[in-house]
Amino acid sequence: EIVLTQSPGTLSLSPGERATLSCRASQSVSSNSLAWYQQKPGQAPRLLIYGASSRATGIPDRFSGSGSGTDFTLTISRVEPEDFAVYYCQQYGGSRTFGQGTKVEVK
Amino acid sequence: QVHLVESGGGLVKPGGSLRLSCAASGFTFSDYYMTWIRQAPGKGLEWVSYISSSGDTIYYADSVRGRFTISRDNAKNSLCLQMNSLRAEDTAVYYCARGGYSGWWIYWGQGTLVTVSS
Repeated sequence: EIVLTQSPGTLSLSPGERATLSCRASQSVSSNSLAWYQQKPGQAPRLLIYGASSRATGIPDRFSGSGSGTDFTLTISRVEPEDFAVYYCQQYGGSRTFGQGTKVEVK
Repeated sequence: QVHLVESGGGLVKPGGSLRLSCAASGFTFSDYYMTWIRQAPGKGLEWVSYISSSGDTIYYADSVRGRFTISRDNAKNSLCLQMNSLRAEDTAVYYCARGGYSGWWIYWGQGTLVTVSS
């Protein structure tokens, strides 16, 4: 099973700042089979990115994904007030596993 | 408009059973894989199981294999998860989600809470 480790655990930012979230896999994720989700309290997750770098329909272009192999990154170019949430990476190269999440909070 | 509504959650004693359902609407249910994903209180997400559009291909996470059974009724646009031999660590919000073959999930239900406690 591929284990995904996200860092940092919590990211404290002010609106307008850049957010860089990391997701590291215990082994190479085939075909860049990695997705990112955003989850707000009491809500289901929302798909942001799939295929490591493809934005899902309706996702603002301030969200971007990059990386390959074992190292992946989600970047929010300028954090908006509605972006404060928990973010999860998820791989689907083999089975399906999630990272433990990164919380983006207001500084 | 895709709509997924889970039901059947509740409080159950360790060793007990529970059957979750997911009612789907707004799309051709029989065309899609379907998935169950869970989230323990205050914790991260865990994929549980998925089933192919026809029901002939099924996968389970190691943590539930042999205890949980996924099924679907394409005539009723319904997905089910039969959960037996429940443990405290099965306590979670259970989400149904459309898809699974592609590897990611766009549409999710709002979830149903399962609590396993004596």
